[in-house]
Amino acid sequence: GNSVTQMEGPVTLSEEAFLTINCTYTATGYPSLFWYVQYPGEGLQLLLKATKADDKGSNKGFEATYRKETTSFHLEKGSVQVSDSAVYFCALRVAGANSKLTFGKGITLSVRP
Amino acid sequence: EAGVVQSPRYKIIEKKQPVAFWCNPISGHNTLYWYLQNLGQGPELLIRYENEEAVDDSQLPKDRFSAERLKGVDSTLKIQPAELGDSAVYLCASSRGNGASETQYFGPGTRLLVL
Repeated sequence: GNSVTQMEGPVTLSEEAFLTINCTYTATGYPSLFWYVQYPGEGLQLLLKATKADDKGSNKGFEATYRKETTSFHLEKGSVQVSDSAVYFCALRVAGANSKLTFGKGITLSVRP
Repeated sequence: EAGVVQSPRYKIIEKKQPVAFWCNPISGHNTLYWYLQNLGQGPELLIRYENEEAVDDSQLPKDRFSAERLKGVDSTLKIQPAELGDSAVYLCASSRGNGASETQYFGPGTRLLVL
């Protein structure tokens, strides 16, 4: 089956620190990969996505590269801000009649001033 | 553009009572999803609609859960009777189509507490 594994959290960083959140996956087919973010009190929103191997998704200073050889889609940001404090979910979806978005457990990021 | 609207935002009920959640998707989005999110977990799909047709309800516990999407726009998810284990956040999402790379837009969710 399809599954997503995220690193254990929570993660606490100081402002301007470098961020890496690990995500690996298993998939029965060729997946599209996503990072969703959930800010406090809000719904999930798409942060970035990549649809084929070696694609790099980027948004708001965050980046993630689709690595087929390591089945990974790690999220990075060079300098985090307090406003980046949120829960981050890695997800995948494989094409097909009954395909569905499969999420990881999510990881809470707290950035302190 | 208005986002996905859900109501109520919070609901507290006693076990064995019925409860209903409402969702209004983004205008023009044909595909609508209901997800269940337990504490500390990622969302899990309950049901997916293409217009008014439920095309994937394999994860919906049909003994107590039901859903409808009349006229292919708004949708309602119902639980009857509710159990303690149903306490969770119920998320609605919509998308223009159903491709694997399609972006899903999520509502804020309804947080249900069953006492």
